[in-house]
Amino acid sequence: NAGVTQTPKFRVLKTGQSMTLLCAQDMNHEYMYWYRQDPGMGLRLIHYSVGEGTTAKGEVPDGYNVSRLKKQNFLLGLESAAPSQTSVYFCASRGTGGSNTEAFFGQGTRLTVV
Amino acid sequence: ILNVEQSPQSLHVQEGDSTNFTCSFPSSNFYALHWYRWETAKSPEALFVMTLNGDEKKKGRISATLNTKEGYSYLYIKGSQPEDSATYLCAFSPWGSYIPTFGRGTSLIVHP
Repeated sequence: NAGVTQTPKFRVLKTGQSMTLLCAQDMNHEYMYWYRQDPGMGLRLIHYSVGEGTTAKGEVPDGYNVSRLKKQNFLLGLESAAPSQTSVYFCASRGTGGSNTEAFFGQGTRLTVV
Repeated sequence: ILNVEQSPQSLHVQEGDSTNFTCSFPSSNFYALHWYRWETAKSPEALFVMTLNGDEKKKGRISATLNTKEGYSYLYIKGSQPEDSATYLCAFSPWGSYIPTFGRGTSLIVHP
């Protein structure tokens, strides 16, 4: 099993450009999450989804949009990239065994906005 | 936003040393605590899930304890090896929430 796969792994954007990060999981997990990781800040939740067709805002949602049209995919969009969105983005998924189930993470996407 | 604190922020030890670090979390409405190991250039991987006060979990030289009444968990590494070098994250899940809150991690570097 591939687990959680993120694409792309690296990207450089110019300010104002848009892009979409794709997260795909093959574990039939209901819950999916997008985090950003910045130095000294740990993992901060951007948006999350508790099932196909549902999304909700996390701690730092501004400047991002998400969609979960298919259960296995969770897309993170940046409509107009800003230098403050330079970060490493991680996607995670989790099953419905309850909050005691572990999260599985993708390998991360390193995004630089210039 | 829930307050999950990890200490120390970073730790340098010599090979063979034993070490421990702490995760503090809200003592009310506890449901689960996870520990993850995060190696550089990789993604976090789960070490332990802990759900009951007094839980003790062990995997090889790494073990963890849980005190939900006072809101802390300890992670212990016995006889540290260079391959133990990583960031160790804890994540707290309150009852009824889909969202684990992560601490900022403890960065462990084990010198040969």
